Amino acid sequence: LAKTTQPISMDSYEGQEVNITCSHNNIATNDYITWYQQFPSQGPRFIIQGYKTKVTNEVASLFIPADRKSSTLSLPRVSLSDTAVYYCLVGDMETGANNLFFGTGTRLTVIP
Amino acid sequence: NAGVTQTPKFRVLKTGQSMTLLCAQDMNHEYMYWYRQDPGMGLRLIHYSVGEGTTAKGEVPDGYNVSRLKKQNFLLGLESAAPSQTSVYFCASSSDFGTGRVYEQYFGPGTRLTVT
Repeated sequence: LAKTTQPISMDSYEGQEVNITCSHNNIATNDYITWYQQFPSQGPRFIIQGYKTKVTNEVASLFIPADRKSSTLSLPRVSLSDTAVYYCLVGDMETGANNLFFGTGTRLTVIP
Repeated sequence: NAGVTQTPKFRVLKTGQSMTLLCAQDMNHEYMYWYRQDPGMGLRLIHYSVGEGTTAKGEVPDGYNVSRLKKQNFLLGLESAAPSQTSVYFCASSSDFGTGRVYEQYFGPGTRLTVT
């Protein structure tokens, strides 16, 4: 089972770009990389998912190097509302979420 | 379209009491999951279901039972509550996408359970 390592916390000023890196040295060939965001007292919310290279959507970008042993979530120009915990998950999508582990995530605090 | 709903939102139990948490989804998803989240921790998978009538154990199944009699509902039962089961419980659902499709779990708002 591929598990992940993330920084426990990060601080950033409003308007800056934030990059959160996740290490997953044991990632398997069929594993995808998924990031979730969680606000206090709410369930996690899907942000982005990728397999290799770069994926971009309306809220974030995900950079995955060729060896896929790490990935970086990039949040452009963060605002106070981006203060949350961010989780990196790695797993085989074809077998469902039963082998996905959320870990403790990265607590991002955006400072005015 | 309500997504994933959970009932109740809050509950206080005494040690040894039983209760059932209800999760309902209206997205016709095949997969459903129950997680628990303790303070300052990530989510841990309790049980999951890959379709109506099926259930399987996750990472921390002890002390819990589940049932998926209808596709849209997933019930989590505590037969004899213990203080160690004080936690926030999240239900989630997802489609059974294959390789190449975006795989997204949709989470409910959570149930805060306290066992005294």
